[in-house]
Amino acid sequence: AQSVTQLGSHVSVSEGALVLLRCNYSSSVPPYLFWYVQYPNQGLQLLLKYTSAATLVKGINGFEAEFKKSETSFHLTKPSAHMSDAAEYFCAVREMDSSYKLIFGSGTRLLVRP
Amino acid sequence: ETGVTQTPRHLVMGMTNKKSLKCEQHLGHNAMYWYKQSAKKPLELMFVYSLEERVENNSVPSRFSPECPNSSHLFLHLHTLQPEDSALYLCASSQDLGGGSNSPLHFGNGTRLTVT
Repeated sequence: AQSVTQLGSHVSVSEGALVLLRCNYSSSVPPYLFWYVQYPNQGLQLLLKYTSAATLVKGINGFEAEFKKSETSFHLTKPSAHMSDAAEYFCAVREMDSSYKLIFGSGTRLLVRP
Repeated sequence: ETGVTQTPRHLVMGMTNKKSLKCEQHLGHNAMYWYKQSAKKPLELMFVYSLEERVENNSVPSRFSPECPNSSHLFLHLHTLQPEDSALYLCASSQDLGGGSNSPLHFGNGTRLTVT
């Protein structure tokens, strides 16, 4: 069965600092992996997705994520945080050859300090 | 601007009321979804439609009744709700539904529902 674990319900960084949001997944078959962002009072917006073409995936707003099969991880990073990055981030997994269901993690709220 | 529009943005209803949530997608997608987002819980998939056919009813109480009259519109009819049903209800669409699809979901901004 698929599952997603996001370590840390809240992450706080200073403006200009590295952002690292952790995501580990469990899947019996190769997965598709996604990161979504949710700003206050809005729906979820796709940041990036892994579809097996490349292990390092670049997304919007300067974010990127690296797929590491040996660690079953898909951590999200950004070299330098901006105040506008403050939001909630969700990791999600879907099995490649079977289910259409997208399983979401519990989310990590990113706080950016001035 | 999102390609998925949800109305109303906010809804307050009593437990005996009947109301409906509306979702419209302008993306030409074939699949539509209802998700429930509650505080401190992962998003819960409620219903899935593909080409207007329901393909998922994820053990949702019968007080929630979906309707998909065409591939662009999705409704969630509500009646005799409970206070614990208060949540953000998100509609989403994707190009394809088939197994193994890498089609991402496109979300609306949600309806914030409060049941009093």
